[in-house]
Amino acid sequence: GAGVSQSPSNKVTEKGKDVELRCDPISGHTALYWYRQSLGQGLEFLIYFQGNSAPDKSGLPSDRFSAERTGGSVSTLTIQRTQQEDSAVYLCASSLTVLAGALHFGNGTRLTVT
Amino acid sequence: SQQGEEDPQALSIQEGENATMNCSYKTSINNLQWYRQNSGRGLVHLILIRSNEREKHSGRLRVTLDTSKKSSSLLITASRAADTASYFCATQETSGSRLTFGEGTQLTVNP
Repeated sequence: GAGVSQSPSNKVTEKGKDVELRCDPISGHTALYWYRQSLGQGLEFLIYFQGNSAPDKSGLPSDRFSAERTGGSVSTLTIQRTQQEDSAVYLCASSLTVLAGALHFGNGTRLTVT
Repeated sequence: SQQGEEDPQALSIQEGENATMNCSYKTSINNLQWYRQNSGRGLVHLILIRSNEREKHSGRLRVTLDTSKKSSSLLITASRAADTASYFCATQETSGSRLTFGEGTQLTVNP
């Protein structure tokens, strides 16, 4: 596709369940980022991937959060044993490289934990 | 803690007026970027200014960077109702590659 695609666009889950969020970056972009945005707030960095290098996981808030990127393309963000405080919009972005500057964002997945 | 902090948090102006938003940051940077976010959407990149640049223009946008004061400003001239959105600054630090965002300025342009 022409842009970054995220699915699902909305996800409602019960507390304690696991969820998987998917991101399809722009073809050819080697850098992929995940951010979290709470209502009316700025973006909280979670993790980024750059090519075959080890990902920077320093923003992941707890060990319930993990992410992987298969084949240098699609990425999944997994949240285990979801808590109500995990409710937020999860945004994925890609860029040509980590140092290339501009990020291209998807429209996000709105996660609601009940 | 947030690297970039925008000021003001909210700004309401009339169509045709200019809008100025400011961003301050704490560490050395490679570049500073401004993004726009419409409600319920992802962010859209507006402009990037490198640490060795002082001013940059793109259409009705003008960005300045003062590395000695660790601050940047975004000026939108001749604003339109369609400019209503949240605007975020983001910095890429020299010590790493992540892009760190501020809390944003909510701009409302009244027709």
